[in-house]
Amino acid sequence: DAGITQSPRHKVTETGTPVTLRCHQTENHRYMYWYRQDPGHGLRLIHYSYGVKDTDKGEVSDGYSVSRSKTEDFLLTLESATSSQTSVYFCAISESGQGIDEQYFGPGTRLTVT
Amino acid sequence: SQKIEQNSEALNIQEGKTATLTCNYTNYSPAYLQWYRQDPGRGPVFLLLIRENEKEKRKERLKVTFDTTLKQSLFHITASQPADSATYLCALEADYKLSFGAGTTVTVRA
Repeated sequence: DAGITQSPRHKVTETGTPVTLRCHQTENHRYMYWYRQDPGHGLRLIHYSYGVKDTDKGEVSDGYSVSRSKTEDFLLTLESATSSQTSVYFCAISESGQGIDEQYFGPGTRLTVT
Repeated sequence: SQKIEQNSEALNIQEGKTATLTCNYTNYSPAYLQWYRQDPGRGPVFLLLIRENEKEKRKERLKVTFDTTLKQSLFHITASQPADSATYLCALEADYKLSFGAGTTVTVRA
């Protein structure tokens, strides 16, 4: 497996609370991504980063923010969690962002918002 | 609107047979198309990439075709084995990012 870890792996939180998910890589890849996966929707891109402090929005970015202060870490924050954000969250990395590169995925974080 | 559609039904096949999965897309013009495998409770794993100017690509028992006129990719698993049971995702390059289909779940019966 590519050196990608996600923490926590499971989390249950209450509506309205802030939540931060962490992705850590040891591959020194430039690009990092946050996806959510829900039944029937496949993987949907939330935000991505193309370098330290360089981030951009994906398809479903509302209610989420990200930060990347170091090459190896990419944080996803839900400022005020809602039940619609219950999902499985995957972090991924790639060497370039051209779509030609394969993406390496982390093990996922299962988030439940009650 | 842009759409990626994979086989809506799960695919159940007998060991040794060929599984054929479809990935159809609308309002995309991908230069590349990728296929991933996902096992329950795990992240997707890259399998194959095919470029728009390639008609077919093979890797061991896997074969992918890419028809930009039909806007379709076919993914074949030949001589299927129970270990091939998983969900398979297609992903299209769009604006330098990947857009994923919802996946097709394949179950291979011994």
